[in-house]
Amino acid sequence: GENVEQHPSTLSVQEGDSAVIKCTYSDSASNYFPWYKQELGKRPQLIIDIRSNVGEKKDQRIAVTLNKTAKHFSLHITETQPEDSAVYFCAASLGGGSNYKLTFGKGTLLTVNP
Amino acid sequence: EPEVTQTPSHQVTQMGQEVILRCVPISNHLYFYWYRQILGQKVEFLVSFYNNEISEKSEIFDDQFSVERPDGSNFTLKIRSTKLEDSAMYFCASSRQGRGTDTQYFGPGTRLTVL
Repeated sequence: GENVEQHPSTLSVQEGDSAVIKCTYSDSASNYFPWYKQELGKRPQLIIDIRSNVGEKKDQRIAVTLNKTAKHFSLHITETQPEDSAVYFCAASLGGGSNYKLTFGKGTLLTVNP
Repeated sequence: EPEVTQTPSHQVTQMGQEVILRCVPISNHLYFYWYRQILGQKVEFLVSFYNNEISEKSEIFDDQFSVERPDGSNFTLKIRSTKLEDSAMYFCASSRQGRGTDTQYFGPGTRLTVL
């Protein structure tokens, strides 16, 4: 089955700096890659997603890039703010037949220091 | 904005007892999921459900687990005889369609503690 690896496990940046989180996936048939932000004790919330027919997507300070050949995708947060501090999870989905489950990476704890 | 809701927020039970976790998916969504997250670990898929039947289940979802949509709004996860290792946060999610490219919206979770 699909396996998603995520790095780094922790990331500490100064406010205003950029943060990059990287994920790799194993199944070349995966075609949907969402990123979720989870604050302590809260539900995972979708912040951005990318589909396999697109190489890059941007939403204000957040961007995601996808390299299908290398089977990796990355989250980029620019001008980080303390409220960006949370655990970020990448995920992948095959999206074929009845296989709609999300396979998550292990998460990255992002700390933005004021 | 509609949200997935879950009850209870926290459930404490004794080992061997049955628990039922309840979810109300977003009203026009057709696909439902249960995930769990053991403290400090990643979110793991348990089961997906569509048209009143299981679409897919993981190896975690053994005979002790079952899911049901008893009416038009609720979606439940039952653990028949809880074990210590079932202690985790259980998230329900729903999506409008079942395509893998369709956004899954997560509920706030039920923290299950098995003593």
